[in-house]
Amino acid sequence: RKEVEQDPGPFNVPEGATVAFNCTYSNSASQSFFWYRQDCRKEPKLLMSVYSSGNEDGRFTAQLNRASQYISLLIRDSKLSDSATYLCVVNRGSQGNLIFGKGTKLSVKP
Amino acid sequence: EPEVTQTPSHQVTQMGQEVILRCVPISNHLYFYWYRQILGQKVEFLVSFYNNEISEKSEIFDDQFSVERPDGSNFTLKIRSTKLEDSAMYFCASRWTPLRSGANVLTFGAGSRLTVL
Repeated sequence: RKEVEQDPGPFNVPEGATVAFNCTYSNSASQSFFWYRQDCRKEPKLLMSVYSSGNEDGRFTAQLNRASQYISLLIRDSKLSDSATYLCVVNRGSQGNLIFGKGTKLSVKP
Repeated sequence: EPEVTQTPSHQVTQMGQEVILRCVPISNHLYFYWYRQILGQKVEFLVSFYNNEISEKSEIFDDQFSVERPDGSNFTLKIRSTKLEDSAMYFCASRWTPLRSGANVLTFGAGSRLTVL
């Protein structure tokens, strides 16, 4: 099983749509969870950290299910500028370094 | 906003040559990292560095690779005897606190694209 697994997409959605991405991770000792965004040929940039209680930042909502080792990201009211690859990121073990999923590509169309 | 700065932005080299990629982490950060991303593939961890020594390295980071913090500001990745498969984007990142604290996250530089011919 891959350490961090994501549906590669692409997800092609119209502006204003709601889209959800899922991610599973294999190491039950992981304690830090993030969603990063990566534009084409650019560096990953933090979108949001993911907490057990779930967290929301504007149009973005992240959820963590430790029992199922599953992380989700919901984007509401999609904008053209949301087009990017969304990376699920988990630390390896309790103090380990960040391991990236391959990413899910989102394309928002007018 | 503080930035992680990387140079060069793009380097083309011949197979077998040595390459040094340079990074200036954010000034008050204590933990430094190199990641790489082969075109079309995922971001892969190479090495982490703290207190002037390697704290963790991946199976990719073999004897061909080395890191150094020569002067308290620069953080370098040296690749000896480059191979075609070393062609990738190399990202430097830095962090203030240990990952277990949760709140602080990695800040990445814009990357150095290495092309080995």
